[in-house]
Amino acid sequence: QKEVEQNSGPLSVPEGAIASLNCTYSDRGSQSFFWYRQYSGKSPELIMSIYSNGDKEDGRFTAQLNKASQYVSLLIRDSQPSDSATYLCAVNMDSNYQLIWGAGTKLIIKP
Amino acid sequence: DAGVTQSPTHLIKTRGQQVTLRCSPISGHKSVSWYQQVLGQGPQFIFQYYEKEERGRGNFPDRFSARQFPNYSSELNVNALLLGDSALYLCASSAVPGTDEKLFFGSGTQLSVL
Repeated sequence: QKEVEQNSGPLSVPEGAIASLNCTYSDRGSQSFFWYRQYSGKSPELIMSIYSNGDKEDGRFTAQLNKASQYVSLLIRDSQPSDSATYLCAVNMDSNYQLIWGAGTKLIIKP
Repeated sequence: DAGVTQSPTHLIKTRGQQVTLRCSPISGHKSVSWYQQVLGQGPQFIFQYYEKEERGRGNFPDRFSARQFPNYSSELNVNALLLGDSALYLCASSAVPGTDEKLFFGSGTQLSVL
């Protein structure tokens, strides 16, 4: 069974602090990893993609990938109330390029 | 440029009925995927179409079917609706399928089955 696991939260972080979101996946051969943000009542939107071990930075967001540990994370620096949303981890672990999604972590940034 | 458009936005049906959901991808995108999202869960893959051919099918019953038209728009059909089909149905477009495929989602169709 191919799975992506996330802590459902909610994760509460003070404004201005670093929010750390984690995701583990079951298929060691997975190649592509994505973080999507979903506001309540809205559709998911892509934040970050990462394909190689290490860190990838884009503005306040940093994605981290460790394939040996089958672990991918998203760090949000200088968290803002507008970052409050559910963050979905999606992993491409299928030869047909189908994404497997986690259930998402609800993040709450407290002013 | 217009994003991914879906219609209708909301739909109420009764058990046993049939429903058709529609999706227009971003201009230039040739791949359309359909997802079902139940409240509190991540999206579940239903179908992917690329160049009018089915590229992948998720673990959904044969009551679910889809097609892609020459203009790359797509329809998702669900027959013999069950209460459990109530969910947000998301359409996503991408330029081409692949390991680095980035999906762009429409605003979804909220289906309620009574």
